[in-house]
Order: sequence, then structure tokens, then C-alpha cells
Amino acid sequence: GESVGLHLPTLSVQEGDNSIINCAYSNSASDYFIWYKQESGKGPQFIIDIRSNMDKRQGQRVTVLLNKTVKHLSLQIAATQPGDSAVYFCAELQEGRRALTFGSGTRLQVQP
Amino acid sequence: DAGVTQSPTHLIKTRGQQVTLRCSPISGHKSVSWYQQVLGQGPQFIFQYYEKEERGRGNFPDRFSARQFPNYSSELNVNALLLGDSALYLCASRVSSGPPYEQYFGPGTRLTVT
Repeated sequence: GESVGLHLPTLSVQEGDNSIINCAYSNSASDYFIWYKQESGKGPQFIIDIRSNMDKRQGQRVTVLLNKTVKHLSLQIAATQPGDSAVYFCAELQEGRRALTFGSGTRLQVQP
Repeated sequence: DAGVTQSPTHLIKTRGQQVTLRCSPISGHKSVSWYQQVLGQGPQFIFQYYEKEERGRGNFPDRFSARQFPNYSSELNVNALLLGDSALYLCASRVSSGPPYEQYFGPGTRLTVT
């Protein structure tokens, strides 16, 4: 069935290092992907999105890479800061569908 | 501009009771979606509404219902509450039912069923 999963449940990095959070998806019909950040007690916060006709998109300190061949998505965070500590979700959407399908999340812990 | 707002923040109910959760979308957004997030998991889609009509429904029982008002705010109702309904209920808004697809979430309502 359809699924959006994450490779690692917890990622621990040193402040100032770069972080890479990975996500695998199984539905080749997915054509839109979003990364969300969720801090404790808050709703998911939109970080960056990418359409399936792209393989890379950059934002402020974040880059999303999409590899459709292996159905893999990654979020790269440059110069990770303590404020980046949170749970990160990838989500996918098929055009015409109404719902985002979320993975279970990766917890990013930034060590000072 | 204010983001998505939800009320109440927290709620404690007893099994068998009914609950109504409320959501106000971002100004200019006409589509509202509801998601259930159980602790330790990603959000699960419940409903999407656009222009007061239901446009999508997830795999939830008929105890769950929702509606959207002319001002685009929305309510989620859950009847005959079960312990398993304890979760964070999230509302998300977007401009329309189609592209652009960015969805923005509110802070959620934490429902505890005892």
C-alpha cells in the first residue's frame, strides 16, 4: 500500500554541523512533497516543498532533494542550531487527492 | 496576518460524550482540512472542506463529522467518544482545493478521553 516512511527515528547532531533527514516513499504517483517541522506542543510548521518535476529546491538554510528513481526525499539543514531541535515529517500528495500522507517523523536533537 | 487558530487548546471528555472542535483558517484561505495526530505518529487525514462542501474524507468512522461555514471557519464533531480518540486534532488551511498545495497548520486541540 501507499506509505511515506522515514529511515531514522532520532538524529543527534552537534550545533553548527549540517543535518540530513531522509524519507522514503512508495507511491510513484506522488507529485508533491512537503517537509514540516513540529516542536513540542505545537502544530506542524511548513518548511519547504518540492514538485516531482524538480530534483532540488533551496530555502533559507534548508535544501530538499528528490530522487524519483529510488523514491527518496531528503531534507538538509545547514549550520544546525538549537532552535532546529524538533520532529521533522515528510508528507506527500498526489495531484487531485485531497489529503497529505505523513510519515511517522524523525526527531532531530541538536547538541550544544 | 494571524495564522490558523483553533479552540479550545485542551479538552478532557469522558467515554461516550460528544465533542466539538473549532478552527479559523488564515484570512483568504477557503479550504480547511482536519487531521488526527496520535502521540508519536504523523498526522492522519480526517476531512477536507472547500467552499462549505466536503471534498475528501479519510478512513475514520461515521462518529466523525465536520462542516464549514460561510466565513470558511470549520467545526469537527466527534460523537460517542472512545479512549482511542485521545489525540491532537489539527486544522490546516490552504488557499483553495487545488494548487498551490501549501497547507498551514494550527496549534491543535489536545483531546483527552477518560
